[in-house]
Amino acid sequence: DAEITQSPRHKITETGRQVTLACHQTWNHNNMFWYRQDLGHGLRLIHYSYGVQDTNKGEVSDGYSVSRSNTEDLPLTLESAASSQTSVYFCASSGQYQETQYFGPGTRLLVL
Amino acid sequence: KNEVEQSPQNLTAQEGEFITINCSYSVGISALHWLQQHPGGGIVSLFMLSSGKKKHGRLIATINIQEKHSSLHITASHPRDSAVYICAVHNQGGKLIFGQGTELSVKP
Repeated sequence: DAEITQSPRHKITETGRQVTLACHQTWNHNNMFWYRQDLGHGLRLIHYSYGVQDTNKGEVSDGYSVSRSNTEDLPLTLESAASSQTSVYFCASSGQYQETQYFGPGTRLLVL
Repeated sequence: KNEVEQSPQNLTAQEGEFITINCSYSVGISALHWLQQHPGGGIVSLFMLSSGKKKHGRLIATINIQEKHSSLHITASHPRDSAVYICAVHNQGGKLIFGQGTELSVKP
């Protein structure tokens, strides 16, 4: 069965360190998204990609970067982790523009 | 003011009750989604609709484009329906904008 996975599921890091969160989907979807979920804010879009070599900034992209070298993967990198980036991160994918998005299980990140 | 507002924010019901969660939005949209997030954290898409009504089992979603309003109904609620229900809209730019969610607890 097709799926979308994230790793690690839990991560503790220190401020200033570079962190990369992995997202892998086997749906063969063109569109992939990264969101963060915080109490009081709901889900907010960090970065998204509509295909290989395409990346775009979302509403909360500062301090984050992504790259899309193949269809299956969209890793999210925190260049220099900050305590404000403590959050739960969700990756999602969809096949076509504005179709249903399928979410990964989430990664809980704690920045100390 | 958030572009997508849900009400209520929290809801406690007794098993068997009919439940309604509301979603209002202030932007032009091409589609609206209802998502479910269980206590374990996973997010599942329940419905995507752009007009009218959709039904899946005990869940019914309706949308009124003119009034910029959608409702999610749960008939004969059950403790396993306890979750956070999230409304999200696809804006004209194609991005999803999320409401803050409604936390539902169904007591046996």
